[in-house]
Amino acid sequence: KNEVEQSPQNLTAQEGEFITINCSYSVGISALHWLQQHPGGGIVSLFMLSSGKKKHGRLIATINIQEKHSSLHITASHPRDSAVYICAAPIRGAGSYQLTFGKGTKLSVIP
Amino acid sequence: NAGVTQTPKFQVLKTGQSMTLQCAQDMNHNSMYWYRQDPGMGLRLIYYSASEGTTDKGEVPNGYNVSRLNKREFSLRLESAAPSQTSVYFCASSPEHPSYYEQYFGPGTRLTVT
Repeated sequence: KNEVEQSPQNLTAQEGEFITINCSYSVGISALHWLQQHPGGGIVSLFMLSSGKKKHGRLIATINIQEKHSSLHITASHPRDSAVYICAAPIRGAGSYQLTFGKGTKLSVIP
Repeated sequence: NAGVTQTPKFQVLKTGQSMTLQCAQDMNHNSMYWYRQDPGMGLRLIYYSASEGTTDKGEVPNGYNVSRLNKREFSLRLESAAPSQTSVYFCASSPEHPSYYEQYFGPGTRLTVT
């Protein structure tokens, strides 16, 4: 059972397109993380949000806690945005809250 | 600041061999984590240390042991490697646990068990 689901799994876009990646979760949470995994394998945190919207450059993340849904938007996409985007939520495991990760969305932006 | 460092970057083991993956952070974080990443699956938590002196099992702890040597260092040991442990291993740290804080990841260790 996947408690954190992402869609789409793969996404190909033309440079300049507006991109949306979706994340839904099945249990109540109070915050959600978005991360980026570069083609070389490194993982960096993009956002941690608990309500509303956050913006960093061309990246915008939104969350609706009640609807159990978050989106990551990329405006004016560029080939350097090509990466795997991962959402993660702190979900109670045995004894404590642990980050549960989606399987990721692989984004390819074509010049 | 180096952030989170991991050694080695690559390793090939034979079934039954043992090894220790090293992780260190220089951000004075209290919490540290070990994850594995397999194709087609999300990152999965192996063990974590919420603070110096404590360690707890995550989702997939079987076949692994950990040591929180001090506040900076958190090592992962495979006592008898199996092919099922072929994976990419990531160490991460965050200021506090639980996971309401941003996590900082190391570059990963690619392990192959033959």
